[in-house]
Amino acid sequence: GIQVEQSPPDLILQEGANSTLRCNFSDSVNNLQWFHQNPWGQLINLFYIPSGTKQNGRLSATTVATERYSLLYISSSQTTDSGVYFCAVDRMDSSYKLIFGSGTRLLVRP
Amino acid sequence: DTGVSQNPRHKITKRGQNVTFRCDPISEHNRLYWYRQTLGQGPEFLTYFQNEAQLEKSRLLSDRFSAERPKGSFSTLEIQRTEQGDSAMYLCASSFGQETDTQYFGPGTRLTVL
Repeated sequence: GIQVEQSPPDLILQEGANSTLRCNFSDSVNNLQWFHQNPWGQLINLFYIPSGTKQNGRLSATTVATERYSLLYISSSQTTDSGVYFCAVDRMDSSYKLIFGSGTRLLVRP
Repeated sequence: DTGVSQNPRHKITKRGQNVTFRCDPISEHNRLYWYRQTLGQGPEFLTYFQNEAQLEKSRLLSDRFSAERPKGSFSTLEIQRTEQGDSAMYLCASSFGQETDTQYFGPGTRLTVL
């Protein structure tokens, strides 16, 4: 099956710093989503981005589908950005299930 | 848009008992998905429905697990004869059902089997 790898696995930042999270996937995908899981376990949608670039406030994401990777940029990080960031994809075979990476655990210190 | 809701939020049960969880999707969403997440891992797909039809089940879904979506609205996930290995967060998601669309997740039900 398709493999989804996220890096780095853990990241500690000082408030105000910028960061880049990476997601590599092993096959062509129909869908790619980035999520933030808060300390209570809620998965919050950040981006639906199977290709191209999108921005939402301090967050932006770029997916290069031909090279099978996606990047999530966090600028001017805040303590509320702490949590786990997941990348998830579904394959181009009419199967709509999302395959998740193992996540990047981000801690932003004040 | 009230979002995906799940009940209960927490469930503690003894090994061997049956448990049932409920998921209410975003209204007008045709697809409904169940995932399971264990500590330190990403969510893993269990099953999904297109309206009331269950179209795919993961090999993770043993015969002790059953899911239904009567009338294509809410869904229930039942686990019979629970085992300690069933302890996890059970997440529900829904989507419109287009070729390429976004899945929205509920808050999850955290199951602890003693």
